[in-house]
Amino acid sequence: AQSVAQPEDQVNVAEGNPLTVKCTYSVSGNPYLFWYVQYPNRGLQFLLKYITGDNLVKGSYGFEAEFNKSQTSFHLKKPSALVSDSALYFCAVSPGPFNSGNTPLVFGKGTRLSVIA
Amino acid sequence: GAVVSQHPSWVICKSGTSVKIECRSLDFQATTMFWYRQFPKQSLMLMATSNEGSKATYEQGVEKDKFLINHASLTLSTLTVTSAHPEDSSFYICSARKPGQGSNQPQHFGDGTRLSIL
Repeated sequence: AQSVAQPEDQVNVAEGNPLTVKCTYSVSGNPYLFWYVQYPNRGLQFLLKYITGDNLVKGSYGFEAEFNKSQTSFHLKKPSALVSDSALYFCAVSPGPFNSGNTPLVFGKGTRLSVIA
Repeated sequence: GAVVSQHPSWVICKSGTSVKIECRSLDFQATTMFWYRQFPKQSLMLMATSNEGSKATYEQGVEKDKFLINHASLTLSTLTVTSAHPEDSSFYICSARKPGQGSNQPQHFGDGTRLSIL
């Protein structure tokens, strides 16, 4: 069965510094990987995804993520953090190859990012 | 803009009351919707997969008689928490993919419903 691990409950970073939110996955075959962000009392917003191709994926709000097959990781990164980036971040996996839309994403436990001014 | 709408966003009610939460796909038809529950400071727990015109598929440990799901149209799924008790207080979120999209496409989420049972 597929699973996702986010080893850090909390990440603190100073504004302007680079940030990394870690994610590792376990899935048979080639995975589809996603990052979402959640602000307080809101649903999840899609940031980016990796399906195939270039290992570095760019997404919304200046975020990017690097797929590393050998390390089974998909860490979320941003070169310069903003206070407004403070939120809860979720990594998710979906089994590949192409499956029906009835297959729900499997989420990690989430990592709370705090960007300090 | 938002593609999945959830209503209400916040509800407070007395113990023993049944509460209905609506999830609508705004500009597409969704034959499948997903219902999640989120506890404070915790991840999303998939409760069930809602299928238009047929019975929902519940995850292990989720009481189907407690959490009634009805997907009567291609744009609306409802979750009814029956005879709600304080332990049912939580944040409930629905989600859907656009039609024709497989598991390589993102799910779109509603803004969630905060349920508080007194």
